[in-house]
Amino acid sequence: AQKITQTQPGMFVQEKEAVTLDCTYDTSDPSYGLFWYKQPSSGEMIFLIYQGSYDQQNATEGRYSLNFQKARKSANLVISASQLGDSAMYFCAMREGQSGGSNYKLTFGKGTLLTVNP
Amino acid sequence: DTGVSQDPRHKITKRGQNVTFRCDPISEHNRLYWYRQTLGQGPEFLTYFQNEAQLEKSRLLSDRFSAERPKGSFSTLEIQRTEQGDSAMYLCASSFPGGLRRGVYNEQFFGPGTRLTVL
Repeated sequence: AQKITQTQPGMFVQEKEAVTLDCTYDTSDPSYGLFWYKQPSSGEMIFLIYQGSYDQQNATEGRYSLNFQKARKSANLVISASQLGDSAMYFCAMREGQSGGSNYKLTFGKGTLLTVNP
Repeated sequence: DTGVSQDPRHKITKRGQNVTFRCDPISEHNRLYWYRQTLGQGPEFLTYFQNEAQLEKSRLLSDRFSAERPKGSFSTLEIQRTEQGDSAMYLCASSFPGGLRRGVYNEQFFGPGTRLTVL
C-alpha cells in the first residue's frame, strides 16, 4: 500500500489566489512527521513546512500552512497568495518514528505539479 | 556555499558502463542519505550512512549498486553495468542528529542531484 498518496497530478491557480495541495498518508507508527517539499525544474528539493504527529497546532511558515487532520490521515498544503515563482513540483513526505533508533528516511508521494497563471 | 554538493550534475553513459557519483554533505552532518527519483515519481530511499557505517539499504539497491562513505565525510555511489532503467536523478541529503530547526529535528538538506541518462 502507498504510504503517501497525492491524488492531484497537476493543479492550476491564478496568481494571488490560494491553492490547496492534497496529501494522505498511511502509517501505524504513533510517532511520525510530515513534510512538504518544493522541487523547481532545476531539481533541488526545497523544504517548505513540517508537521509532527504530536503537534497540537497546524504548522504555518509564511505563505504556507499545513491543514493537518490526524483522524483522516491527511496533511494538505495550503499556499496563500500564489506567486509565479510557486510554479513547481510539490512533494509530500513522511518520516516514521522520531525516537532513537530510527534512520529518519523519508517516504515521498508522487508529487503535484503546480502551475501559477498570471 | 555550505550546502550539500553533488558531482557531476549530469552524466550520460552507455549501457553496460560503470558510473560513480559523489556527494559532499554539509560539514559536521554525520547522517547521509541517497535517494533515486525516476521521471514522474517522488524520490525513493536507497541507503543511509551514519558516519562511515552504512546502516540500511533499500531493496532498490541491487548488487550492481554500491555506496561508500570513507572517513564519514563525502560519499560515493557507484553503479556497475548500467542499464537503461537506471536513468534517474540521484539525490543526496545530509542531516545532523538532534539539530532542531524550524520545528524539525534532523532536517535533511538535499543536494542538487546528479541526473543520469543511460543510452
